[in-house]
Amino acid sequence: EAGVAQSPRYKIIEKRQSVAFWCNPISGHATLYWYQQILGQGPKLLIQFQNNGVVDDSQLPKDRFSAERLKGVDSTLKIQPAKLEDSAVYLCASSFHGDLRETQYFGPGTRLLVL
Amino acid sequence: GESVGLHLPTLSVQEGDNSIINCAYSNSASDYFIWYKQESGKGPQFIIDIRSNMDKRQGQRVTVLLNKTVKHLSLQIAATQPGDSAVYFCAEGGSYIPTFGRGTSLIVHP
Repeated sequence: EAGVAQSPRYKIIEKRQSVAFWCNPISGHATLYWYQQILGQGPKLLIQFQNNGVVDDSQLPKDRFSAERLKGVDSTLKIQPAKLEDSAVYLCASSFHGDLRETQYFGPGTRLLVL
Repeated sequence: GESVGLHLPTLSVQEGDNSIINCAYSNSASDYFIWYKQESGKGPQFIIDIRSNMDKRQGQRVTVLLNKTVKHLSLQIAATQPGDSAVYFCAEGGSYIPTFGRGTSLIVHP
């Protein structure tokens, strides 16, 4: 079974530029999560999708971050404009039903450096 | 606010020893906990989970203990191997938003 795919793996941009990350979850998984992991910290949930609907985006900085999952499969996370403090690893995860007591499967992450 | 945290940032052990990684949580309503392993350059990988109606759960070479009285859980790794070197996170999955702790770096010396 293929795992969660993410691209690109690495991205370096200057502050105030825009960037987008892509995630393809495990086939058949209804729930998709985007996390931000700052160096030395645990992942922090940004947004959770159930199929193509948003379940929770309370921790998403909506003035600059946006995410979509239009067809309920793959998803894109965008930052516009980027700030220095956005430097982090952006992790995508998926789970079958979305029960928070269910195992989440993580992708390898996209490492973003904002200069 | 509620938080899930770890006691020690780094744990160094010799190959073959047993490792114990600790985690404290503050939300007494938490009813589900997960341990993840994150190797360098990879996403977190599920190791073992435990529900609050259990005190102990065992997997292959790993055991998780939950003490609800003091809101503490631990991950025990038996016969630690160099491949166990990674950052270990405890996470609370019972609340609406999955919450991860800071992480403990486990270093295994051959």
